[in-house]
Amino acid sequence: SQELEQSPQSLIVQEGKNLTINCTSSKTLYGLYWYKQKYGEGLIFLMMLQKGGEEKSHEKITAKLDEKKQQSSLHITASQPSHAGIYLCGADNAGNNRKLIWGLGTSLAVNP
Amino acid sequence: GAGVSQSPSNKVTEKGKDVELRCDPISGHTALYWYRQSLGQGLEFLIYFQGNSAPDKSGLPSDRFSAERTGGSVSTLTIQRTQQEDSAVYLCASSLPTSGTTEQFFGPGTRLTVL
Repeated sequence: SQELEQSPQSLIVQEGKNLTINCTSSKTLYGLYWYKQKYGEGLIFLMMLQKGGEEKSHEKITAKLDEKKQQSSLHITASQPSHAGIYLCGADNAGNNRKLIWGLGTSLAVNP
Repeated sequence: GAGVSQSPSNKVTEKGKDVELRCDPISGHTALYWYRQSLGQGLEFLIYFQGNSAPDKSGLPSDRFSAERTGGSVSTLTIQRTQQEDSAVYLCASSLPTSGTTEQFFGPGTRLTVL
């Protein structure tokens, strides 16, 4: 099984709907990163979470870290077509930001 | 430029040929990473450079893969005697010196196709 599980694997929502993507680690989390990737492009940094209970927001995207559950969730409010893409979570399980472990990604489509 | 750049953006090669992929990190970023992203797979760590320290090569899949970083800046990933399973997007990232957890800035990647 994957060391970092993302769910769901893919998601199709209607514009304006809210959605949540989850990322669960099998190991201790020292840091959890959320990135977005569009086809043919590199990864765009969204947020980094380090402390248990930490919550960060950027525009309509909010991410939370549950350190005890070794889990993070990414929530998008009132989704827009511009939110479409692949969302990837990366975990620092060693505390040195060296070898991040990555989830397989969640593919999001937003229908206008 | 302000971001991480990679070249070429696309590379098609024949099985058995050698290829070189280039990465220009953000100026001032002493940490540099190479990843591989294959269809249906997550990002796979390949190698990590930090300043003048010995690189962490533990992610390189075989001895056909090697990487250099000259002058603490530009890095080249070389794949010798390419195989079809080497086909993937190769991503480079850079970050400020790691003293804990810091953001990695990614380049657009090089899409390698081995025929």
